[in-house]
Amino acid sequence: DVKVTQSSRYLVKRTGEKVFLECVQDMDHENMFWYRQDPGLGLRLIYFSYDVKMKEKGDIPEGYSVSREKKERFSLILESASTNQTSMYLCASSPLGQPSTDTQYFGPGTRLTVL
Amino acid sequence: AQSVTQLGSHVSVSEGALVLLRCNYSSSVPPYLFWYVQYPNQGLQLLLKYTTGATLVKGINGFEAEFKKSETSFHLTKPSAHMSDAAEYFCAVSRMEYGNKLVFGAGTILRVKS
Repeated sequence: DVKVTQSSRYLVKRTGEKVFLECVQDMDHENMFWYRQDPGLGLRLIYFSYDVKMKEKGDIPEGYSVSREKKERFSLILESASTNQTSMYLCASSPLGQPSTDTQYFGPGTRLTVL
Repeated sequence: AQSVTQLGSHVSVSEGALVLLRCNYSSSVPPYLFWYVQYPNQGLQLLLKYTTGATLVKGINGFEAEFKKSETSFHLTKPSAHMSDAAEYFCAVSRMEYGNKLVFGAGTILRVKS
C-alpha cells in the first residue's frame, strides 16, 4: 500500500525559529512536492523535486527552502518562521513518468502554528 | 496561466440526493483534469482523473465526472449521497507546458444531511 508520512501532525513554533518539516515516502517515487493549504485558497505549490538533490520553485517559494538528500525523504525548511506561515502543509509524491498525468499521493499533513 | 474555479465553497445535500460539485478551468488548450477528496484530518486522495479518451470518467466511491471542452468544465457528480461522502473536494488541472504542476481550485466542502 502506498504510503507518505509526515513527521508531525501538529507543530507549534515561535516567530523567528527555524522549522523543519519532514516527509518520507515508501513507494520509490522520483517526484516529491510540498504544498500549503489555506481555507479558500486550496493548495499552493511551494517546491518540488524530481530527483535527489534536484529542486524547483513552485508558486510560493518565498520564506521556504527544501532539501532532498535521499530519494525517499523531502524536507521543507522555514528559515525564520513568521506568523503568516501558519498553515497546513501537505507533502506528496508521484512516480517518474508523465508528471502532468500521474496521480500524486499525499501525506496526512502537518498543521503548523507560528506564534 | 491556467486557473481553476470551483463554484460554491460549501454545498449541502440530503442523504440519497444527487451530488453536483462544479469545476471550470481556464486554458486555451484542454488540460489534464483531476478530482481529489480530503476526508477530515487526512491528506488528499485521488477520486478520478481525465487525461485522454472517453470524456465521462468514473472514479471511486460511485463518483464520476464529465469533461466538456465547449464549456471548459469538469463537474463531479454522484447519483446518491452517503453520509461518508462528507469531505472537502478539490478540482485540479495540469499540463506539461506548465511544468507538470498541479493547479488546485479553492475546494468545496460537501455536507451531507441525514
